[in-house]
Amino acid sequence: DSGVTQTPKHLITATGQRVTLRCSPRSGDLSVYWYQQSLDQGLQFLIQYYNGEERAKGNILERFSAQQFPDLHSELNLSSLELGDSALYFCASSPTSGRAGELFFGEGSRLTVL
Amino acid sequence: AQSVAQPEDQVNVAEGNPLTVKCTYSVSGNPYLFWYVQYPNRGLQFLLKYITGDNLVKGSYGFEAEFNKSQTSFHLKKPSALVSDSALYFCAVRDIGANTDKLIFGTGTRLQVFP
Repeated sequence: DSGVTQTPKHLITATGQRVTLRCSPRSGDLSVYWYQQSLDQGLQFLIQYYNGEERAKGNILERFSAQQFPDLHSELNLSSLELGDSALYFCASSPTSGRAGELFFGEGSRLTVL
Repeated sequence: AQSVAQPEDQVNVAEGNPLTVKCTYSVSGNPYLFWYVQYPNRGLQFLLKYITGDNLVKGSYGFEAEFNKSQTSFHLKKPSALVSDSALYFCAVRDIGANTDKLIFGTGTRLQVFP
């Protein structure tokens, strides 16, 4: 158990809909990362937050947004969903930002868009 | 830009034999390299990392990795494979800059250990 909690574990929805994925980092970790894992594109970095502020942005679509709240949990919002958004979405946390430390991953949220 | 490459989609090995999962890197500056493992329907688990120092890094579950600067490689190894080692293995490099801080992952290598 990594200590990172993601909900929901599975989500099935229709095209055009909006979903919210939730992540609780390990106790005390200030950094939260979101990654998307799909069969054709592998593990893609989406976005990172550090202590409530956006720290780094990757291949995140404009239809997607994220935030980190004062209690350090984070949410990833996916809107106007398309079939291609079906993927496994991982949250990871680490205690620091800009340091060479490992990330601790949650079990992921599997999104299926029909 | 920082990147890692995993040239093998799959590696097959018999139980008890040594295993190697290959990774090469391309970085500017000093590399911070990682190996993660993903079991079916699970998240990624950290195995080991190289930051600086000894080129042979020991990690979890009996795995180790050898950093080779001249060959820009960071291969994952284990002296004696177990069936339970069968999983998806990812090499990663840390990309740190003024406006970036993330791990960049390779495409993954599926390790299959046969009894």
